[in-house]
Amino acid sequence: DQQVKQNSPSLSVQEGRISILNCDYTNSMFDYFLWYKKYPAEGPTFLISISSIKDKNEDGRFTVFLNKSAKHLSLHIVPSQPGDSAVYFCAARDRGSTLGRLYFGRGTQLTVWP
Amino acid sequence: DTGVSQNPRHKITKRGQNVTFRCDPISEHNRLYWYRQTLGQGPEFLTYFQNEAQLEKSRLLSDRFSAERPKGSFSTLEIQRTEQGDSAMYLCASSFGSGTEAFFGQGTRLTVV
Repeated sequence: DQQVKQNSPSLSVQEGRISILNCDYTNSMFDYFLWYKKYPAEGPTFLISISSIKDKNEDGRFTVFLNKSAKHLSLHIVPSQPGDSAVYFCAARDRGSTLGRLYFGRGTQLTVWP
Repeated sequence: DTGVSQNPRHKITKRGQNVTFRCDPISEHNRLYWYRQTLGQGPEFLTYFQNEAQLEKSRLLSDRFSAERPKGSFSTLEIQRTEQGDSAMYLCASSFGSGTEAFFGQGTRLTVV
């Protein structure tokens, strides 16, 4: 059962424009959400996170929005750059777990073209 | 110490053979995780250590899989009698205390032929 869903396997955006990556979840016990970025042949790299007590977190060109009622979050990248081309994973943590185990979506391949 | 280190980076083995992977976490991190990623999927949790204690194992971790973390430092993941379905990227991650940002290594890509 996929508790974290990324329904768009790929996204193509022109350099300079906004990239919006979406993520849905089903577990209402999730209290912390993270985005990881992954290049080929490398491990995932932490990008940005958001606690369930917030609805927005911003870090430079990256902003994550959380809509708890819709169980939906999104990552905005503005402006998009070719170096942003990678697979982006949405991940979530269960507040009932003290272990920090993360549940991942299947990822969205972002391609930023010049 | 620049991050989580995993060895080897690649492993090709014949079906039925045993393989062992090593993970060296960030030195001050007491939590260590193993995940597995197959093509088209996100990382899936396998097991978790807090210091030397293995506190949780996923149902994905069959009896052929065993993980250890002696002395709460590096960890090993062994797969016995490998099967083709074990082919995947095995990822190790570490974090400190209740911090939620897990840092991942570059992974070990296993191919079972």
